Amino acid sequence: DVKVTQSSRYLVKRTGEKVFLECVQDMDHENMFWYRQDPGLGLRLIYFSYDVKMKEKGDIPEGYSVSREKKERFSLILESASTNQTSMYLCASSTLGGSSYNEQFFGPGTRLTVL
Amino acid sequence: GDSVTQMEGPVTLSEEAFLTINCTYTATGYPSLFWYVQYPGEGLQLLLKATKADDKGSNKGFEATYRKETTSFHLEKGSVQVSDSAVYFCALSSVSGSEKLVFGKGMKLTVNP
Repeated sequence: DVKVTQSSRYLVKRTGEKVFLECVQDMDHENMFWYRQDPGLGLRLIYFSYDVKMKEKGDIPEGYSVSREKKERFSLILESASTNQTSMYLCASSTLGGSSYNEQFFGPGTRLTVL
Repeated sequence: GDSVTQMEGPVTLSEEAFLTINCTYTATGYPSLFWYVQYPGEGLQLLLKATKADDKGSNKGFEATYRKETTSFHLEKGSVQVSDSAVYFCALSSVSGSEKLVFGKGMKLTVNP
């Protein structure tokens, strides 16, 4: 059974803390993605990576950074957490395209609350 | 750029009612189209897909047909169940060379017994 796992389901942090969200996939996928999900706004792409050590900004990268040192692991970093980063964070992975069919597989999400 | 517009809801139906969730898209070329579903407390999972015009995707009693002439991919189910309560997302895969998906904002469906 293919899987994308995220390190925590629920996380509570304080303003100004450095926060690490970890994502691991076991499908040998090249692409990995970080989204945040907010009511009324749907899914918004923060960053994605198409190879080890490669990254590209998504639609809302401000306040975030990422790290991909190994193919199976993609980390999202909040350098200095703020209350407006309280959200549900979803990780996804997909195999390299070559066609227009790019199904993404999602993890269960991390609900982050910043106090 | 590419975009997806879908009904946002929330929508509440009674069990066995007919469901339609509208989805239209703007894209260059011939994107692949997807419906994802998110059950309470879970991540998104693929419900169905279509990769070319006139294709019909189907799964778990849900269907959607890729209509290029109306740039639409409406999701339908003839008789919903309480277990179909979830958030539904329409998405497209751009043909511009990007590996990204473009998502609609999602629609929350609640089915009452």
